[in-house]
Amino acid sequence: KNEVEQSPQNLTAQEGEFITINCSYSVGISALHWLQQHPGGGIVSLFMLSSGKKKHGRLIATINIQEKHSSLHITASHPRDSAVYICAVDYGGSQGNLIFGKGTKLSVKP
Amino acid sequence: DTEVTQTPKHLVMGMTNKKSLKCEQHMGHRAMYWYKQKAKKPPELMFVYSYEKLSINESVPSRFSPECPNSSLLNLHLHALQPEDSALYLCASSRGVTGELFFGEGSRLTVL
Repeated sequence: KNEVEQSPQNLTAQEGEFITINCSYSVGISALHWLQQHPGGGIVSLFMLSSGKKKHGRLIATINIQEKHSSLHITASHPRDSAVYICAVDYGGSQGNLIFGKGTKLSVKP
Repeated sequence: DTEVTQTPKHLVMGMTNKKSLKCEQHMGHRAMYWYKQKAKKPPELMFVYSYEKLSINESVPSRFSPECPNSSLLNLHLHALQPEDSALYLCASSRGVTGELFFGEGSRLTVL
């Protein structure tokens, strides 16, 4: 069964802290997506990666294909980073049929 | 323009009403998607259009009817919905078969 596991489910941090969210999946993938969703809002694509590491501003995403694991890091966290972060994987099957993790709810306190 | 625009943002309808959700993008993307998202759950894929043709229908009830009039527009026609259909409906697009997904802000639907 294709599964995507995220941890932690909930995360509370103080402003300025370094944050890591983890994602594990069960079989080979063609790509992995990190998405951000603010309460009641739409989804923003943060990264799509199939190998290595990507960086955008204070966000860094890494993926280890052999270990079937990806991490999303946020440096110098800020209250505006408070959102649900979702990992989704593309197993290369049906187009658009991503397998989504349950999400990590991040709350950054000032 | 890297936006996917969805209208309306909020919709309340009765079970006998007919309404439509609209989605528009001008990024030249040839794949467009409808997702349904219930509270505190991840999105669920409903339909995929590729080059204006329906390529995936994830066993969605016929009370939901998608339409892709052209490469920039995607509609979701709603008829005889049930209260359990109340959810956030998200539209997304991507350049081709695989690629980064661009999501709209969603249309929040309430069925009374």
